[in-house]
Amino acid sequence: NAGVTQTPKFQVLKTGQSMTLQCAQDMNHNSMYWYRQDPGMGLRLIYYSASEGTTDKGEVPNGYNVSRLNKREFSLRLESAAPSQTSVYFCASSDRVNYGYTFGSGTRLTVV
Amino acid sequence: DAKTTQPPSMDCAEGRAANLPCNHSTISGNEYVYWYRQIHSQGPQYIIHGLKNNETNEMASLIITEDRKSSTLILPHATLRDTAVYYCIVLGTYKYIFGTGTRLKVLA
Repeated sequence: NAGVTQTPKFQVLKTGQSMTLQCAQDMNHNSMYWYRQDPGMGLRLIYYSASEGTTDKGEVPNGYNVSRLNKREFSLRLESAAPSQTSVYFCASSDRVNYGYTFGSGTRLTVV
Repeated sequence: DAKTTQPPSMDCAEGRAANLPCNHSTISGNEYVYWYRQIHSQGPQYIIHGLKNNETNEMASLIITEDRKSSTLILPHATLRDTAVYYCIVLGTYKYIFGTGTRLKVLA
């Protein structure tokens, strides 16, 4: 029962470097989401994909791009990392029928 | 999407019921109330959701007022492992907006 799998779990980047966070779900969910959580804060929505082939901006999309590669996979790309993007990133998926989310265990990203 | 208001923190004695309130006075008729919790820095975990009727599952009970402007999550017999941040979310479209939640501390 994998659920939502995120890779990598930890990453340190230098300012200006790029990287892609990977997310895959095995529950045949239609919708997928990327959130970030800064220390002591709630989660903020970066991007989401309501269904395969569609993506939309959330609350804090600047500095990020996403790709819904197929129904299972939703990746988040940082083109030029900045220290302000140091955060924990969570991917989630949901079945459009009941909207309950399943979250991954997170990627802890530090930009120095 | 309707906004929610929760107290920033609460304490509860182990074995007692934990009652976590949430105000959502701008909720619309078709918006559901969802509760999640986050233990340490793990991904949030779904607890329960409801529209207007009270709901119960193996984890908790959800009481929604008749006017739907507020709700209460009840953990009937809190344990130390229930120490977490609890988020109340009102879902209109298919994307959640999280607030800062209530930090529940269960005391031995």
